[in-house]
Amino acid sequence: DIQMTQSPSSLSASVGDRVTITCRASQDIINYLNWYQQKPGKAPNLLIFDASNLKTGVPSRFSGSGSGTDFTFTISSLQPEDIATYYCQQYDHLPYTFGQGTKLEIK
Amino acid sequence: QVQLQESGPGLVKPSETLSLICAVSGGSLSYYYWSWIRQPAGKGLEWIGRVYTSGSTNYNPSLRSRVTMSVDTSKNQFSLKLSSVTAADTALYFCAREKVTTGTTVFDYWGQGTLVTVSS
Repeated sequence: DIQMTQSPSSLSASVGDRVTITCRASQDIINYLNWYQQKPGKAPNLLIFDASNLKTGVPSRFSGSGSGTDFTFTISSLQPEDIATYYCQQYDHLPYTFGQGTKLEIK
Repeated sequence: QVQLQESGPGLVKPSETLSLICAVSGGSLSYYYWSWIRQPAGKGLEWIGRVYTSGSTNYNPSLRSRVTMSVDTSKNQFSLKLSSVTAADTALYFCAREKVTTGTTVFDYWGQGTLVTVSS
């Protein structure tokens, strides 16, 4: 299985801050990586696909980059409604695997 | 608007079989993969497996010996069976639609999730 390692596991930031989460794959997954947002008690919601493509309707403060084994997810200006846990997910090989998640909190 | 709704027993005894159904409304099962994903309380997401509308399946090797998935196109629903459950199978179970296009695969629609507890 491809292991996905996210860091940090939790993050506290202030409204307006730039927030960055990293995701590392245990092998080259090209750009076959998605980012999901999960709010408490809810299902995950797709934000970014193919490492850097923003899903239609998702605010432009969210972005993604990277290829190969190293990927980055960024919120350019943190908003209160962004409080959630964020997961990366690879789809290069079955079984699909997710990072362990990054819980984002407001400072 | 596609909607998915999981249903099934919330409590299953150890060693028994967990059975869940995901009903799909607002769209057809055709031409999509349909996945089950679970999440133990306070933990991350684990992909269990998927079923195509033809009935073909792919399972996570970690669960393959205990998992069976199927589709019922007449009822527009698909199902999960997980046998010989233990407390480690206690989790929130999600069903999700997997959209596959050229070079891209995403889980674009999810159910709300159903909590299954394994306990005697």
